[in-house]
Amino acid sequence: SQTIHQWPATLVQPVGSPLSLECTVEGTSNPNLYWYRQAAGRGLQLLFYSIGIDQISSEVPQNLSASRPQDRQFILSSKKLLLSDSGFYLCAWSMGSASGNTIYFGEGSWLTVV
Amino acid sequence: QQQVKQSPQSLIVQKGGISIINCAYENTAFDYFPWYQQFPGKGPALLIAIRPDVSEKKEGRFTISFNKSAKQFSLHIMDSQPGDSATYFCAANLQTGANNLFFGTGTRLTVIP
Repeated sequence: SQTIHQWPATLVQPVGSPLSLECTVEGTSNPNLYWYRQAAGRGLQLLFYSIGIDQISSEVPQNLSASRPQDRQFILSSKKLLLSDSGFYLCAWSMGSASGNTIYFGEGSWLTVV
Repeated sequence: QQQVKQSPQSLIVQKGGISIINCAYENTAFDYFPWYQQFPGKGPALLIAIRPDVSEKKEGRFTISFNKSAKQFSLHIMDSQPGDSATYFCAANLQTGANNLFFGTGTRLTVIP
């Protein structure tokens, strides 16, 4: 069965520091990968998605970037964090085929920028 | 532009009651409608899903009602329990592309004993 791992689970970082959140998927190949952000008590905002290695699409302009160095690895990064980057970050995956494209989420990473 | 509109934003239901969350969409190209359940501090998890060729799908106490002509679908939670207290997201999926799942804004359900 497929599993998704995301780490770290919680993170407190000072303003201006770098960020790296990692996500890996097991049990499948060539998945679509996603990074979402969820502000406290709010909805899901899609940040990035990827259909393959080094193929990243950004949904919103921001202080963050994403990379996919391996088929089942997705990394969210920032060179200098802003206070507004605080939130709950969710990695997710789906099958490469389009129909019934259920997205499966990881457990999330709480980021607090202080 | 919000592709999927969800209401209400929050809902308080007595234990044993029926919780109803509504969603509406405009794009008739959507072909798959999942609902996700999210507990505090956790990632959303797929709860139940429906395709537009059926009008209702039931799994235990959870039922999706789908009205294709009205472009609306809803989640009904029968005999609501305190353990159902969570945020619920509806979503709609396009048939093609990778960025093809559009979420509603979420409904925070609280079931009081």
